[in-house]
Amino acid sequence: EADIYQTPRYLVIGTGKKITLECSQTMGHDKMYWYQQDPGMELHLIHYSYGVNSTEKGDLSSESTVSRIRTEHFPLTLESARPSHTSQYLCASHAGTSGIRADTQYFGPGTRLTVL
Amino acid sequence: AQSVSQHNHHVILSEAASLELGCNYSYGGTVNLFWYVQYPGQHLQLLLKYFSGDPLVKGIKGFEAEFIKSKFSFNLRKPSVQWSDTAEYFCAVNVRDNTDKLIFGTGTRLQVFP
Repeated sequence: EADIYQTPRYLVIGTGKKITLECSQTMGHDKMYWYQQDPGMELHLIHYSYGVNSTEKGDLSSESTVSRIRTEHFPLTLESARPSHTSQYLCASHAGTSGIRADTQYFGPGTRLTVL
Repeated sequence: AQSVSQHNHHVILSEAASLELGCNYSYGGTVNLFWYVQYPGQHLQLLLKYFSGDPLVKGIKGFEAEFIKSKFSFNLRKPSVQWSDTAEYFCAVNVRDNTDKLIFGTGTRLQVFP
């Protein structure tokens, strides 16, 4: 399996706090993604990146921001957390167009965020 | 806009029963199709994928899926489920644009009882 790491796995935090969800991958993949998943719902793309210094908004509007300063690192930040941000956040990377894993996304374990 | 529909939200089966989970997508162009599985407490894992060629694809753990282009469907099947198949199953589509993003269905929760 692919190596994608997310920390923390669980986070409970109060309203108004700034938080950063970490995502890193060790495979050198250029494209990376953040999805948001509410219980019983589909995953929605909120951010993606083509590579270093590239960030794009996804299909679902989100108040979060992302950065991509290094290939392996794609953190997501909420400047001021609110209860409406309570959700699960999944990070993924795309395995490129060659090799046995070509054209496939691999996912991290997710961060379950609860904002009180 | 593209979308993916999974018709079965919650399926309950006994061990050794056969399984078929429906997946339909709405997009007129060429797509890559995926089934992902999420076991309790674990991350999303690739079960199988279809890009081209033989429309019947085989994945891990005895799962298979059939792409029927005329029906825009990619149903997942397993002839005999096991208790260890208890998980959430997600169908996803990549419309082969430059983003390579995935569009997911809402998922099907499968419970298998011994």
